[in-house]
Amino acid sequence: DQQVKQNSPSLSVQEGRISILNCDYTNSMFDYFLWYKKYPAEGPTFLISISSIKDKNEDGRFTVFLNKSAKHLSLHIVPSQPGDSAVYFCAASANSGYALNFGKGTSLLVTP
Amino acid sequence: DTEVTQTPKHLVMGMTNKKSLKCEQHMGHRAMYWYKQKAKKPPELMFVYSYEKLSINESVPSRFSPECPNSSLLNLHLHALQPEDSALYLCASSHGLAGGPDHEQYFGPGTRLTVT
Repeated sequence: DQQVKQNSPSLSVQEGRISILNCDYTNSMFDYFLWYKKYPAEGPTFLISISSIKDKNEDGRFTVFLNKSAKHLSLHIVPSQPGDSAVYFCAASANSGYALNFGKGTSLLVTP
Repeated sequence: DTEVTQTPKHLVMGMTNKKSLKCEQHMGHRAMYWYKQKAKKPPELMFVYSYEKLSINESVPSRFSPECPNSSLLNLHLHALQPEDSALYLCASSHGLAGGPDHEQYFGPGTRLTVT
């Protein structure tokens, strides 16, 4: 049973515009959320995270928003760059534990 | 330095072969993980080591045998694998098993394994 869902398998955005990647979860015990970026033939790279006590975390061009009541989080990339083209995985853990529940990923393509 | 290294990058082995995957980190992390990732799927946790001791085995078949010789190294010994074991094998590390802030898992580039 997939507890973390990324319902858009792919997304295409023009360079300079905003990319919004979405993630939904079902387990109300999840209290820590992470985004990983993965290039082909490489391992996932940690990008940004958010604790359930916050609703927003920002790091440069990347901002993650958390809506606990909707069990939804999103990653905003502004402005998008061609180098951002990769697969983005949303992950969540419960009770601040180590076990990561991953979504299936969204493939982002940023076109010049 | 947030680097986790893995060798080899690619490995092709027959079903009767014995081979090993290696993972190394020098971030002082005390938790290390093996994941398996099939194409177009998320990573699946296989094993977790904490302070060089096996903490979690996610019901992985015995043809996969992990080993943690010291706090920086993690091996995965492979024997009598099946073609369906072909996948990307990822190593990760974190400060500890606590999860949460400052305990994010950092992944290596993976070993692409093909079993013929």
